[in-house]
Amino acid sequence: AQTVTQSQPEMSVQEAETVTLSCTYDTSESNYYLFWYKQPPSRQMILVIRQEAYKQQNATENRFSVNFQKAAKSFSLKISDSQLGDTAMYFCAFMSRNRDDKIIFGKGTRLHILP
Amino acid sequence: DSGVTQTPKHLITATGQRVTLRCSPRSGDLSVYWYQQSLDQGLQFLIHYYNGEERAKGNILERFSAQQFPDLHSELNLSSLELGDSALYFCASSVGGGASDTQYFGPGTRLTVL
Repeated sequence: AQTVTQSQPEMSVQEAETVTLSCTYDTSESNYYLFWYKQPPSRQMILVIRQEAYKQQNATENRFSVNFQKAAKSFSLKISDSQLGDTAMYFCAFMSRNRDDKIIFGKGTRLHILP
Repeated sequence: DSGVTQTPKHLITATGQRVTLRCSPRSGDLSVYWYQQSLDQGLQFLIHYYNGEERAKGNILERFSAQQFPDLHSELNLSSLELGDSALYFCASSVGGGASDTQYFGPGTRLTVL
């Protein structure tokens, strides 16, 4: 069974700094997707970034980028020039490309951006 | 705003009762997913419907059931409620049913069982 582990329950950084959130996963599959979702205090789940496992190039979305290390089964999220609005819970997630198409989430990392 | 709507926003009920949560997907989306977010279990996938048919099941209790109607809205029915069922229930929708399709989440229904 697939598992997703986020080893940092909580982090705090100063505004404008760069922060990296860690995620490791376990799977025997070779074809899958990885995601980072953001859940601000409003509780809305928002997709931040997605990575397809067969693509070697790391995904980027504006200030958000990932470091995808397939062999190490690592998928970290880097937030550059952090802003107060980045304060949220961040979830790493895994989804197989098989028919069993459910997302498996990590426990989350609570990120505080300090003014 | 993701375009996914969920009603009600909040629901308070007693143990042993039955409730129905409703989800309307984004226009054009054929898939609906249900998730439960609780303090102890985290975020868990419950069930996925694609164009009216059940596609995948996760950690959904036998007391819970769901369906997707011809107009593509979905309902999650929770019966014989227990204190531990208190959670935030999300639905998400996507165009297709595969991993390549982005899931858009609704605002959630907060269920409190007293």
